[in-house]
Amino acid sequence: AQSVTQLGSHVSVSEGALVLLRCNYSSSVPPYLFWYVQYPNQGLQLLLKYTTGATLVKGINGFEAEFKKSETSFHLTKPSAHMSDAAEYFCAVSPPPNTGNQFYFGTGTSLTVIP
Amino acid sequence: EAGVVQSPRYKIIEKKQPVAFWCNPISGHNTLYWYLQNLGQGPELLIRYENEEAVDDSQLPKDRFSAERLKGVDSTLKIQPAELGDSAVYLCASSLGGVYPSEQFFGPGTRLTVL
Repeated sequence: AQSVTQLGSHVSVSEGALVLLRCNYSSSVPPYLFWYVQYPNQGLQLLLKYTTGATLVKGINGFEAEFKKSETSFHLTKPSAHMSDAAEYFCAVSPPPNTGNQFYFGTGTSLTVIP
Repeated sequence: EAGVVQSPRYKIIEKKQPVAFWCNPISGHNTLYWYLQNLGQGPELLIRYENEEAVDDSQLPKDRFSAERLKGVDSTLKIQPAELGDSAVYLCASSLGGVYPSEQFFGPGTRLTVL
């Protein structure tokens, strides 16, 4: 069974500070992992994804995430927060191929950026 | 390229009334998803289509919810009758078929309020 836990439903950072959003997954086999961002009244937009290969994945808007199998984690980071980063962030896990490309989403983390 | 289109964006109805949501996926995307997103939660899959076939509808409450995807393009999700607990955002997403894992592109959603 697949599941995703996002620690911290609300995170506040000062503009220019490090952003760290936590995501842990539960999967019986190595999954594929994703981070999506959702701005108010909009759909979800893919930030980055991990499938295979390099465990440090770079995405759009300066975000990156590192897949750590030993910790079953896929935390999202950005060195310097910008006001435009304020949004809801969702981590998602997808099981291996031939099982339907179904995504399981976490409950989300709301990021507030303080000027 | 146009994204996933959903209509209406907002809908307010009284309980026991029927309601329908429409989704037009990105051109060429064979896979279409309907998700339910409750306030403060991540999206939860209701149904997934591969072309015109519903291949995963295990989470769709079939006593009141129905969906169709005629001709494998547009899709309609219907609730009849609506209940107070159905108030939520209904998201449609689409992805390319035959590619795994396939990025899901989301529409802006339909926000349903049942009074």
